[in-house]
Amino acid sequence: SAVISQKPSRDICQRGTSLTIQCQVDSQVTMMFWYRQQPGQSLTLIATANQGSEATYESGFVIDKFPISRPNLTFSTLTVSNMSPEDSSIYLCSVDPGHTEAFFGQGTRLTVV
Amino acid sequence: GENVEQHPSTLSVQEGDSAVIKCTYSDSASNYFPWYKQELGKRPQLIIDIRSNVGEKKDQRIAVTLNKTAKHFSLHITETQPEDSAVYFCAASMSGTASKLTFGTGTRLQVTL
Repeated sequence: SAVISQKPSRDICQRGTSLTIQCQVDSQVTMMFWYRQQPGQSLTLIATANQGSEATYESGFVIDKFPISRPNLTFSTLTVSNMSPEDSSIYLCSVDPGHTEAFFGQGTRLTVV
Repeated sequence: GENVEQHPSTLSVQEGDSAVIKCTYSDSASNYFPWYKQELGKRPQLIIDIRSNVGEKKDQRIAVTLNKTAKHFSLHITETQPEDSAVYFCAASMSGTASKLTFGTGTRLQVTL
């Protein structure tokens, strides 16, 4: 199993600003995943963060908008840059430590005004 | 890429009845199919999963069936209880693990007394 701590749990931000979300795992993992869950919607994978290399982004997501850091095997950050109201969502990090089950952080509820 | 469709979007059943949620996937290379339960304001949690070399899996009141030929899989909950009320998401992965999941659109299950 894995215990994931995500910070902040929620934030209200002005449009045009950036927010960095932190994800800390209680064990070393090769890959960390970042998902977006728009209000009342499903989860969509943004990118996969690997330690020691650049993140891999899914179609529709770009590094300039969602830069990711992965400085070690237990930590990652996702930045939502130059925010607009359309970025209002819940952002979740996830790990799959034993390749048997995905564990999720509690999510960061972002509101852009 | 993979596309996962999920039906119904909402489902209301009486306590003690059964509930069935169905998903179809588009890519025959998908080989891992988990189901997640998300209570309001909480993180998604795995309730059951199945891999492509298995046709059915059961865990107490919950079962999942997989038809690889038709590319669909279903969640069955028997003897539903009020605490089963939540949003349920199916997902698919081509990696055989919980890495890089493509989620369905979700089903809001309401169990009434």
